[in-house]
Amino acid sequence: QKEVEQNSGPLSVPEGAIASLNCTYSDRGSQSFFWYRQYSGKSPELIMFIYSNGDKEDGRFTAQLNKASQYVSLLIRDSQPSDSATYLCAFERGDSTLTFGKGTMLLVSP
Amino acid sequence: DGGITQSPKYLFRKEGQNVTLSCEQNLNHDAMYWYRQDPGQGLRLIYYSQIVNDFQKGDIAEGYSVSREKKESFPLTVTSAQKNPTAFYLCASMGGGPQETQYFGPGTRLLVL
Repeated sequence: QKEVEQNSGPLSVPEGAIASLNCTYSDRGSQSFFWYRQYSGKSPELIMFIYSNGDKEDGRFTAQLNKASQYVSLLIRDSQPSDSATYLCAFERGDSTLTFGKGTMLLVSP
Repeated sequence: DGGITQSPKYLFRKEGQNVTLSCEQNLNHDAMYWYRQDPGQGLRLIYYSQIVNDFQKGDIAEGYSVSREKKESFPLTVTSAQKNPTAFYLCASMGGGPQETQYFGPGTRLLVL
């Protein structure tokens, strides 16, 4: 079974700090990785996607991928209370389907 | 507005009843997906369809059925064989180009009376 592991949290950070969310995956053949944000009671929305080793930056968000270590992370700089949500990591299984982790809850306190 | 719509927002099912959840997209996406989410859990794939008139079982297809008669529509039926149907159901779609990803509808919350 191809799996994604995430710490369920909650991860608590003060406003303005950097939040670091981590994810490991089991399928060495995975090529595409995604971070979704899900507010309570709402559907997931895409935050970042990354395909190549290294860092990818988009505004306050940076995704980091290390395929050798089977590790992907999401950094949120200058965290805001509005960033408080559950962050889901996912990877593509090669048949256009995604495998999702259970998510990490982030709480940003004012 | 382009997007994915799901209806109803809330659905109540009586014992032994089949219910159908609607999912429509106007993004001209080929692929569509149904997921189930239980509290504190990630998304689990129920069924998916990569082209009209074709669909495949996901990880938890038992007790569910789907159809894909039109590109825009991918309804999910929760049958009476699904003994624990209470969950948040999410529909997603994806385009066919390179480096595409899945986009989600607003979801339907199914509750058992």
